Parts: sequence; structure tokens; C-alpha cells
Amino acid sequence: QQQVKQSPQSLIVQKGGISIINCAYENTAFDYFPWYQQFPGKGPALLIAIRPDVSEKKEGRFTISFNKSAKQFSLHIMDSQPGDSATYFCAASNGGSQGNLIFGKGTKLSVKP
Amino acid sequence: DAGVTQSPTHLIKTRGQHVTLRCSPISGHKSVSWYQQVLGQGPQFIFQYYEKEERGRGNFPDRFSARQFPNYSSELNVNALLLGDSALYLCASSLSQGPGSGNTIYFGEGSWLTVV
Repeated sequence: QQQVKQSPQSLIVQKGGISIINCAYENTAFDYFPWYQQFPGKGPALLIAIRPDVSEKKEGRFTISFNKSAKQFSLHIMDSQPGDSATYFCAASNGGSQGNLIFGKGTKLSVKP
Repeated sequence: DAGVTQSPTHLIKTRGQHVTLRCSPISGHKSVSWYQQVLGQGPQFIFQYYEKEERGRGNFPDRFSARQFPNYSSELNVNALLLGDSALYLCASSLSQGPGSGNTIYFGEGSWLTVV
């Protein structure tokens, strides 16, 4: 049973546009929601993370929006650049337990110049 | 500063063989986790070790085992390899056990295992 569902599977955006990736979770015990960026041949790198006590967190061009009642969260990339082309993974965790991350299946983002 | 280092980076094994993958966490980090990433999928949790004790185990068969050494480095062992074990094996380290603010989980670049 997949506990974190991510969409879309792939996304093509023009340079300067907004990229939006969505995730939904099932386990209400999750209390930590990070986004990871992965380039080909590299390990995932933490981009931004949020806890459910806030509805939005912004770091530079990256924003997480969080809707606790709907059990959904999303990543917005403003002014998307070709260098943002990568695979993005949302994840969730119950920090009070063993602390492992449960990942979505990933979104491959291509930003066209 | 050295990040999470893993070895080997690539390896090819035959079905039925055994493999050992190694990981050195970031200096000062006491928690090491292992994840399996099949092509086109997100990483899946295998094990977490903290202070040399197993603190979590994912839904993987007993062919998978791991351990953490006194210097906090770790090994992942897989016995009786199957074709389906072909994947990128990621090691992650963090200061303490649970993820959350102030305890970022850092991933290495992984070990690519191909089983033929």
C-alpha cells in the first residue's frame, strides 16, 4: 500500500514558468514532509521541508503548501530554470517512530529554455 | 567537508551470490539508514541504525541484513541475490534518529547493483 501518492509523473515547463508538484498522504501520524531533488547519477538532496503546524513555507524560489485537512502538500517552483530539471520526490515521516522516510514515486521535471 | 560516502559505486553480481555495500556517514552523524531505489521509483526504506543498534526495518526479506560499526560506518549485506535486487542502494546519515528540523537526512550518491 503506497502511503504517499505523487503527481504528475512527468512535467514540462517553459523557462520562467511555475512548476507545481502534488502529493497526498494517508497516515495522519506523519509529521514531517520533505521534498528531495535528485539529478541523474546522484543521491537525493533535501530541498525544503515542512511540518503540519504551518500551511506554507518558502525558501527562495521554492514553496511548500500544506493542507492538513485534505492530507495534501505541494511544491511550487517559481521562475523555473533549466538547471531545475531533475526528479523531485516528496516524502513523509512520523518523526516519533523509527524516523524512516516514505517517498512518493517521483516527478521528472524538464524546464525548456 | 566530506558528505556521505558509499562504496563501491557500481557492481555486477550473478544470481545467488552475496554482496556487501559500505557506507561512511558524515562526521559526527550517529544515524545511518539504507534505502533501495529501483529505476523510476522513489527510495524504499530498508534499515536504520542508531548508536550501533537497529532502530528500524522496512519490508524486506531476511536476505537483507546490515550492521553499524563503532565508528558509525555501516554495511548492507544481501544474500542469495535475485534479479529483482538490481537497484541503486542509498545510504543516508543524520545527527540523531528521527527526521525533522535540525536533523536533516543526507544521502550518499549510492551503489548501483546489477544482478545478472
